[in-house]
Amino acid sequence: AQSVTQPDIHITVSEGASLELRCNYSYGATPYLFWYVQSPGQGLQLLLKYFSGDTLVQGIKGFEAEFKRSQSSFNLRKPSVHWSDAAEYFCAVGKSGGGSNYKLTFGKGTLLTVNP
Amino acid sequence: ETGVTQSPTHLIKTRGQQVTLRCSSQSGHNTVSWYQQALGQGPQFIFQYYREEENGRGNFPPRFSGLQFPNYSSELNVNALELDDSALYLCASSVASKGAYGYTFGSGTRLTVV
Repeated sequence: AQSVTQPDIHITVSEGASLELRCNYSYGATPYLFWYVQSPGQGLQLLLKYFSGDTLVQGIKGFEAEFKRSQSSFNLRKPSVHWSDAAEYFCAVGKSGGGSNYKLTFGKGTLLTVNP
Repeated sequence: ETGVTQSPTHLIKTRGQQVTLRCSSQSGHNTVSWYQQALGQGPQFIFQYYREEENGRGNFPPRFSGLQFPNYSSELNVNALELDDSALYLCASSVASKGAYGYTFGSGTRLTVV
């Protein structure tokens, strides 16, 4: 079964500092990989997604993520964090191909706090 | 294009009652998936509807049921509510050919069971 681990429950960074949020997944084949962001009391907004091709994926709001098959990782990065980036971030994995690619398995999330 | 809309945004129910949550899919989408997000957790897949039938189910008991209508909108019904059913319920619509790769999520319904 597929699974996602986000090792960091809570991260605090200063505004303008760089950011890396970690994500490790377990899946037998090449997965679909996603990063979502959730502001308090809100739904999920897609930051970026990956299935194939270039392993460095660009997303919205200046975020990027790199797929590393050898490490089963899909870490999210941003070179300079803004106060508005404070939110909870979820990594998710989905099955590739076939008729069962409708479901996502999410990690437990990383809460990002940004200090002024 | 319109996004995914969910109603109501919040509601409070008593243990043992029944509840119905609604989701209108994004224009052009024909599948709807439902997720439960407990406080401090990531969303968990409940089930998906396609062609008005359940097309996959997560680890949820039968008291969680759903419907999809000809206009692709969907309902999530929960019977015999338990305190642990308190959560944010999210729906996501997509085109069947894209599956989860084409998800658009709604803003959710916050259910509190007292």
